Amino acid sequence: DGGITQSPKYLFRKEGQNVTLSCEQNLNHDAMYWYRQDPGQGLRLIYYSQIVNDFQKGDIAEGYSVSREKKESFPLTVTSAQKNPTAFYLCASSISDVGGEQYFGPGTRLTVT
Amino acid sequence: GNSVTQMEGPVTLSEEAFLTINCTYTATGYPSLFWYVQYPGEGLQLLLKATKADDKGSNKGFEATYRKETTSFHLEKGSVQVSDSAVYFCAPGGTALIFGKGTTLSVSS
Repeated sequence: DGGITQSPKYLFRKEGQNVTLSCEQNLNHDAMYWYRQDPGQGLRLIYYSQIVNDFQKGDIAEGYSVSREKKESFPLTVTSAQKNPTAFYLCASSISDVGGEQYFGPGTRLTVT
Repeated sequence: GNSVTQMEGPVTLSEEAFLTINCTYTATGYPSLFWYVQYPGEGLQLLLKATKADDKGSNKGFEATYRKETTSFHLEKGSVQVSDSAVYFCAPGGTALIFGKGTTLSVSS
Protein backbone atom coordinates (compact mmCIF):
# COMPACT_ATOMS: atom_id res chain seq x y z
CA ASP A 1 0.00 0.00 0.00
CA GLY A 2 1.21 3.49 -0.83
CA GLY A 3 1.43 6.01 1.93
CA ILE A 4 3.49 8.03 4.34
CA THR A 5 5.10 6.57 7.41
CA GLN A 6 6.41 8.45 10.40
CA SER A 7 8.35 6.90 13.19
CA PRO A 8 8.25 6.61 16.05
CA LYS A 9 4.69 7.42 17.12
CA TYR A 10 5.89 8.73 20.49
CA LEU A 11 9.34 10.13 21.26
CA PHE A 12 10.78 11.31 24.53
CA ARG A 13 13.98 13.33 24.92
CA LYS A 14 15.82 15.30 27.51
CA GLU A 15 16.24 19.02 27.07
CA GLY A 16 19.43 19.92 25.22
CA GLN A 17 19.44 16.85 22.98
CA ASN A 18 18.91 16.91 19.24
CA VAL A 19 16.34 14.46 17.91
CA THR A 20 15.51 13.35 14.38
CA LEU A 21 11.99 12.46 13.25
CA SER A 22 11.62 10.11 10.34
CA CYS A 23 9.28 10.58 7.36
CA GLU A 24 9.15 8.19 4.40
CA GLN A 25 6.74 8.10 1.45
CA ASN A 26 6.29 5.59 -1.35
CA LEU A 27 3.80 7.67 -3.34
CA ASN A 28 6.45 8.95 -5.75
CA HIS A 29 5.58 12.51 -4.72
CA ASP A 30 7.98 15.33 -5.48
CA ALA A 31 7.02 17.65 -2.62
CA MET A 32 7.23 16.96 1.10
CA TYR A 33 6.34 19.07 4.13
CA TRP A 34 6.77 19.24 7.88
CA TYR A 35 4.14 20.83 10.11
CA ARG A 36 3.97 21.38 13.81
CA GLN A 37 0.65 21.17 15.67
CA ASP A 38 0.03 22.64 19.10
CA PRO A 39 -3.32 22.69 20.91
CA GLY A 40 -5.48 25.51 19.61
CA GLN A 41 -2.84 26.59 17.08
CA GLY A 42 -3.73 24.61 14.01
CA LEU A 43 -0.85 23.47 11.80
CA ARG A 44 2.20 25.62 11.20
CA LEU A 45 4.66 24.96 8.40
CA ILE A 46 8.25 24.26 9.45
CA TYR A 47 9.99 23.29 6.21
CA TYR A 48 9.05 22.06 2.78
CA SER A 49 10.89 20.52 -0.12
CA GLN A 50 9.79 20.67 -3.75
CA ILE A 51 12.51 18.42 -5.09
CA VAL A 52 15.46 16.33 -3.99
CA ASN A 53 18.39 18.31 -2.57
CA ASP A 54 16.29 21.44 -2.20
CA PHE A 55 14.17 22.72 0.69
CA GLN A 56 12.69 25.98 1.91
CA LYS A 57 11.96 27.44 5.32
CA GLY A 58 8.37 27.72 6.40
CA ASP A 59 6.85 30.02 8.99
CA ILE A 60 8.57 28.55 12.06
CA ALA A 61 11.91 27.08 10.86
CA GLU A 62 14.05 28.38 13.73
CA GLY A 63 15.51 25.53 15.77
CA TYR A 64 14.79 22.92 13.11
CA SER A 65 16.77 21.43 10.22
CA VAL A 66 15.93 19.07 7.37
CA SER A 67 17.56 17.17 4.53
CA ARG A 68 16.21 15.76 1.29
CA GLU A 69 18.82 13.38 -0.07
CA LYS A 70 16.26 10.93 -1.46
CA LYS A 71 12.84 11.52 -2.99
CA GLU A 72 11.25 9.13 -0.50
CA SER A 73 12.69 10.59 2.67
CA PHE A 74 12.48 13.96 4.45
CA PRO A 75 13.81 13.70 8.02
CA LEU A 76 13.35 16.56 10.48
CA THR A 77 15.88 17.31 13.21
CA VAL A 78 14.67 19.20 16.24
CA THR A 79 17.76 20.87 17.65
CA SER A 80 18.49 22.04 21.15
CA ALA A 81 17.98 25.60 19.87
CA GLN A 82 14.24 25.02 19.54
CA LYS A 83 12.81 26.64 22.66
CA ASN A 84 9.52 24.77 22.87
CA PRO A 85 9.99 21.46 21.05
CA THR A 86 7.18 19.49 22.72
CA ALA A 87 4.47 19.15 20.05
CA PHE A 88 2.81 16.87 17.54
CA TYR A 89 4.76 16.77 14.27
CA LEU A 90 3.11 15.92 10.98
CA CYS A 91 4.78 15.08 7.71
CA ALA A 92 2.95 15.38 4.39
CA SER A 93 3.62 14.96 0.69
CA SER A 94 2.02 16.06 -2.55
CA ILE A 95 2.51 15.26 -6.22
CA SER A 96 3.92 18.72 -6.79
CA ASP A 97 4.06 22.03 -5.01
CA VAL A 98 1.40 23.76 -7.06
CA GLY A 99 -1.31 23.87 -4.42
CA GLY A 100 -2.63 20.35 -4.74
CA GLU A 101 -3.86 18.09 -2.02
CA GLN A 102 -1.43 16.79 0.56
CA TYR A 103 -1.26 13.34 2.06
CA PHE A 104 -0.39 13.13 5.73
CA GLY A 105 1.47 10.66 7.86
CA PRO A 106 0.16 9.54 11.27
CA GLY A 107 2.36 12.01 13.16
CA THR A 108 5.01 11.83 15.87
CA ARG A 109 4.34 13.18 19.34
CA LEU A 110 7.58 14.56 20.76
CA THR A 111 7.91 15.26 24.46
CA VAL A 112 11.00 17.05 25.75
CA THR A 113 11.57 17.31 29.49
CA GLY B 1 0.10 35.30 1.14
CA ASN B 2 -2.95 33.10 1.56
CA SER B 3 -4.82 33.01 4.84
CA VAL B 4 -7.90 31.32 6.23
CA THR B 5 -10.39 31.96 9.02
CA GLN B 6 -12.53 29.22 10.51
CA MET B 7 -15.31 29.53 13.02
CA GLU B 8 -14.19 28.96 16.56
CA GLY B 9 -15.17 25.75 18.24
CA PRO B 10 -15.96 23.56 19.90
CA VAL B 11 -19.19 22.75 18.13
CA THR B 12 -21.40 20.42 20.13
CA LEU B 13 -24.35 18.74 18.41
CA SER B 14 -26.76 15.91 18.95
CA GLU B 15 -26.82 13.02 16.52
CA GLU B 16 -28.77 13.77 13.31
CA ALA B 17 -28.40 17.54 13.75
CA PHE B 18 -27.40 19.81 10.85
CA LEU B 19 -23.78 20.95 10.76
CA THR B 20 -22.23 24.09 9.33
CA ILE B 21 -18.60 25.08 9.85
CA ASN B 22 -17.77 28.43 8.33
CA CYS B 23 -14.55 29.06 6.44
CA THR B 24 -13.41 32.19 4.64
CA TYR B 25 -10.08 32.74 2.97
CA THR B 26 -7.89 35.31 1.30
CA ALA B 27 -5.74 34.20 -1.58
CA THR B 28 -3.89 35.30 -4.65
CA GLY B 29 -5.77 34.00 -7.64
CA TYR B 30 -8.17 31.10 -7.30
CA PRO B 31 -6.53 28.27 -5.45
CA SER B 32 -7.99 24.85 -4.87
CA LEU B 33 -9.80 24.62 -1.53
CA PHE B 34 -9.73 21.70 0.86
CA TRP B 35 -11.36 20.38 4.00
CA TYR B 36 -9.35 17.96 6.08
CA VAL B 37 -10.44 15.93 9.10
CA GLN B 38 -8.32 14.79 12.03
CA TYR B 39 -9.37 12.06 14.42
CA PRO B 40 -7.76 11.95 17.89
CA GLY B 41 -4.08 11.09 17.81
CA GLU B 42 -3.95 10.74 14.03
CA GLY B 43 -2.75 12.66 11.02
CA LEU B 44 -5.04 14.63 8.72
CA GLN B 45 -7.18 13.02 6.06
CA LEU B 46 -8.59 14.79 3.04
CA LEU B 47 -12.35 15.06 3.42
CA LEU B 48 -13.25 16.92 0.25
CA LYS B 49 -11.95 19.48 -2.21
CA ALA B 50 -13.00 21.93 -4.90
CA THR B 51 -10.71 23.17 -7.63
CA LYS B 52 -12.60 26.08 -9.16
CA ALA B 53 -15.37 28.56 -8.48
CA ASP B 54 -18.87 27.10 -7.98
CA ASP B 55 -17.47 23.57 -7.67
CA LYS B 56 -19.06 21.50 -4.93
CA GLY B 57 -16.88 19.01 -3.14
CA SER B 58 -18.61 16.14 -1.36
CA ASN B 59 -17.71 13.04 0.61
CA LYS B 60 -19.34 10.93 3.34
CA GLY B 61 -22.38 13.22 3.41
CA PHE B 62 -20.28 16.37 3.83
CA GLU B 63 -20.45 19.13 1.22
CA ALA B 64 -18.75 22.46 0.58
CA THR B 65 -19.13 24.88 -2.33
CA TYR B 66 -16.35 27.11 -3.66
CA ARG B 67 -17.80 30.63 -3.47
CA LYS B 68 -15.51 33.04 -5.23
CA GLU B 69 -17.68 36.10 -4.65
CA THR B 70 -17.69 35.65 -0.88
CA THR B 71 -14.30 33.86 -0.69
CA SER B 72 -15.91 31.13 1.39
CA PHE B 73 -15.91 27.35 1.55
CA HIS B 74 -18.33 26.44 4.31
CA LEU B 75 -18.62 22.79 5.33
CA GLU B 76 -22.10 21.31 5.77
CA LYS B 77 -23.66 17.99 6.64
CA GLY B 78 -27.36 17.33 6.89
CA SER B 79 -27.27 14.73 9.65
CA VAL B 80 -24.18 14.23 11.80
CA GLN B 81 -23.23 10.98 13.48
CA VAL B 82 -21.22 10.29 16.62
CA SER B 83 -18.45 8.98 14.36
CA ASP B 84 -18.10 12.48 12.84
CA SER B 85 -16.60 13.76 16.08
CA ALA B 86 -13.19 15.10 15.08
CA VAL B 87 -11.30 18.29 14.28
CA TYR B 88 -11.99 19.85 10.88
CA PHE B 89 -9.53 22.06 9.01
CA CYS B 90 -10.18 24.34 6.06
CA ALA B 91 -7.18 25.00 3.80
CA PRO B 92 -6.66 26.97 0.59
CA GLY B 93 -3.96 25.59 -1.67
CA GLY B 94 -0.68 27.34 -2.25
CA THR B 95 3.00 26.50 -2.18
CA ALA B 96 2.05 24.73 1.02
CA LEU B 97 -1.44 24.45 2.39
CA ILE B 98 -2.45 27.19 4.80
CA PHE B 99 -4.50 25.73 7.62
CA GLY B 100 -7.03 27.37 9.87
CA LYS B 101 -6.90 26.66 13.57
CA GLY B 102 -9.38 23.85 13.20
CA THR B 103 -12.90 23.40 14.52
CA THR B 104 -13.57 20.65 17.02
CA LEU B 105 -16.88 18.87 16.48
CA SER B 106 -18.37 16.77 19.23
CA VAL B 107 -21.51 14.75 18.46
CA SER B 108 -23.46 13.03 21.21
CA SER B 109 -26.04 10.28 20.88
